Amino acid sequence: EAGVAQSPRYKIIEKRQSVAFWCNPISGHATLYWYQQILGQGPKLLIQFQNNGVVDDSQLPKDRFSAERLKGVDSTLKIQPAKLEDSAVYLCASSFLAVRGRYEQYFGPGTRLTVT
Amino acid sequence: AQSVTQLGSHVSVSEGALVLLRCNYSSSVPPYLFWYVQYPNQGLQLLLKYTSAATLVKGINGFEAEFKKSETSFHLTKPSAHMSDAAEYFCAVSEDGGSNYKQTFGKGTLLTVNP
Repeated sequence: EAGVAQSPRYKIIEKRQSVAFWCNPISGHATLYWYQQILGQGPKLLIQFQNNGVVDDSQLPKDRFSAERLKGVDSTLKIQPAKLEDSAVYLCASSFLAVRGRYEQYFGPGTRLTVT
Repeated sequence: AQSVTQLGSHVSVSEGALVLLRCNYSSSVPPYLFWYVQYPNQGLQLLLKYTSAATLVKGINGFEAEFKKSETSFHLTKPSAHMSDAAEYFCAVSEDGGSNYKQTFGKGTLLTVNP
């Protein structure tokens, strides 16, 4: 089966510019996650979707970050305007359902963002 | 709130030696625990998971981990390291939050394998 797809793989922008990342989860996976992974740290959950509804966005900086998952399939994450501290790898993951005993996330390759 | 501490940001072993990567967790309820591996420029891949069944969990690539409630630990081991095991390893904890199984990750341990 095809894995989680993300694009672009790399992006370099200047601060105050905007940027968008795209994620296509594994077919049939209802749950989709966006993580931010800063160099030297573990992934931090930004937002979690169940189908096209938001389950958890408590750590999403809503003044500059936004995400949507139209039709409960693919998703976009946007940053506007970007700051230097947004430089990180943005990982998308999906899972069939967040159900006890079946909770396994599949990760995409990530998008490495550099803000100059 | 749940949290994970990975002791040692960098572990170096010789090829054929025992691999031991340490993970301690904090959770207010019985947790689910995971180990992931990340190779350069790739996403995370699940190695193994503990979901309240057997305390000794076997995963892919010869890795295993033991859940010790009394020590709040979930250390990852492999009897004999291969060069291909060189990667970054992340421990994660998840609590039963109803419909929201949020995973919290540790900061990671970089494993290098020397020939």
